[in-house]
Amino acid sequence: DIQMTQSPSSVSASVGDRVTITCRASQGISTWLVWYQQKPGKAPKLLISAASNLQGGVPSRFSGSGSGTYFTLTISSLQPEDFATYYCQQANRFPFTFGPGTKVDIK
Amino acid sequence: EVQLVESGGGLVQPGRSLRLSCAASGFIFDDYAMHWVRQAPGKGLEWVAGITWNSDTIGYADSVKGRFTISRDNAKNSLYLQMNSLSADDTALYYCAKDQIKFGELMSYWGQGVLVTVSS
Repeated sequence: DIQMTQSPSSVSASVGDRVTITCRASQGISTWLVWYQQKPGKAPKLLISAASNLQGGVPSRFSGSGSGTYFTLTISSLQPEDFATYYCQQANRFPFTFGPGTKVDIK
Repeated sequence: EVQLVESGGGLVQPGRSLRLSCAASGFIFDDYAMHWVRQAPGKGLEWVAGITWNSDTIGYADSVKGRFTISRDNAKNSLYLQMNSLSADDTALYYCAKDQIKFGELMSYWGQGVLVTVSS
């Protein structure tokens, strides 16, 4: 099975900061990588598919990049509504696996 | 509007079984793969199982393989998760999720979840 890791596990940032989250796969997954955002008490929300494809309605300050085993999610200018936990997920093949999550909180 | 409504959760003793259901509406159910994802209290997301649009391909997390069975009834717009030999490690909020394609890629829309608590 493909293992996913994320770093950092948590980050404290201020409104307006640029934040980058890293996700690594234990083997190459091309661009079969998905990003989700989850706020406390809520179901996750799909942000990005295919490593860099921003979903409709997701602000353009979010961007994704990478291929193979190394991926990043960048928030160019953090907004108050972006404080949440972010998960990557490999979509290369079953069984799908999530990263452990990165919590973005207020500095 | 896409709606996914999970049901069937509750308190169950270790070693017993439970069947979760997910009623789907607002989209053409048999056009999409479906998934179950769980989240233990205070923990991260864990993909549990997925099923393609026609049930030809099914996958399970190692942690549930041999104990859980995912299935779907396209005529009833419903997804199911049969959970056997439950243990405390299975305690979690279980989400039903809709894929974006027929063959399984991601979870584009999520239900609100149903809580399963395994305890004596």
